[in-house]
Amino acid sequence: GEDVEQSLFLSVREGDSSVINCTYTDSSSTYLYWYKQEPGAGLQLLTYIFSNMDMKQDQRLTVLLNKKDKHLSLRIADTQTGDSAIYFCAETSNSNSGYALNFGKGTSLLVTP
Amino acid sequence: DVKVTQSSRYLVKRTGEKVFLECVQDMDHENMFWYRQDPGLGLRLIYFSYDVKMKEKGDIPEGYSVSREKKERFSLILESASTNQTSMYLCASSLSRAGGYNEQFFGPGTRLTVL
Repeated sequence: GEDVEQSLFLSVREGDSSVINCTYTDSSSTYLYWYKQEPGAGLQLLTYIFSNMDMKQDQRLTVLLNKKDKHLSLRIADTQTGDSAIYFCAETSNSNSGYALNFGKGTSLLVTP
Repeated sequence: DVKVTQSSRYLVKRTGEKVFLECVQDMDHENMFWYRQDPGLGLRLIYFSYDVKMKEKGDIPEGYSVSREKKERFSLILESASTNQTSMYLCASSLSRAGGYNEQFFGPGTRLTVL
């Protein structure tokens, strides 16, 4: 499949903001997703954005979308230790008939007290 | 509450054994998926199914097969397990057809070790 790129690690202090960045490959992706994986668990959808939006806010989460640069970011305000997890960016995968999602490798977020 | 369940959380098998990983969803979803997750490689799609008895190869199907005899159940089969198949296996399901909003719901994963 095509590559969705993310940095692998991010460390922040409790109370600071975290910004996780992602570049995706398919400019025709209609939806872009952020998933969270806590230790020993499966993935859970955190938020998503429709491609005709450039920003979406949901409580402490802000998603920014730059379609021209194919860049997606997730900002977590007032980061807590419970936010420590792996965060995956995903786009609809055209290489799998549009049914599957194409995931990045995940960004491990470590929040220190 | 929507649910995807996987038959085992941890599994240890020997090289050459036939291994079955089972996944069940209770959401009446059309689509089901099997991924493997390895450190530094993220999630890689093995196979998916968009309907009963239908299956499509994903990005890394070699060494695996699948079965979908009932809508709620999707099985991953390792015909002859090898040590390089030691991994975390994640099952997922989704409702939508291609191109639409297609949130995937994930099971808790099966950590398979092949000795």
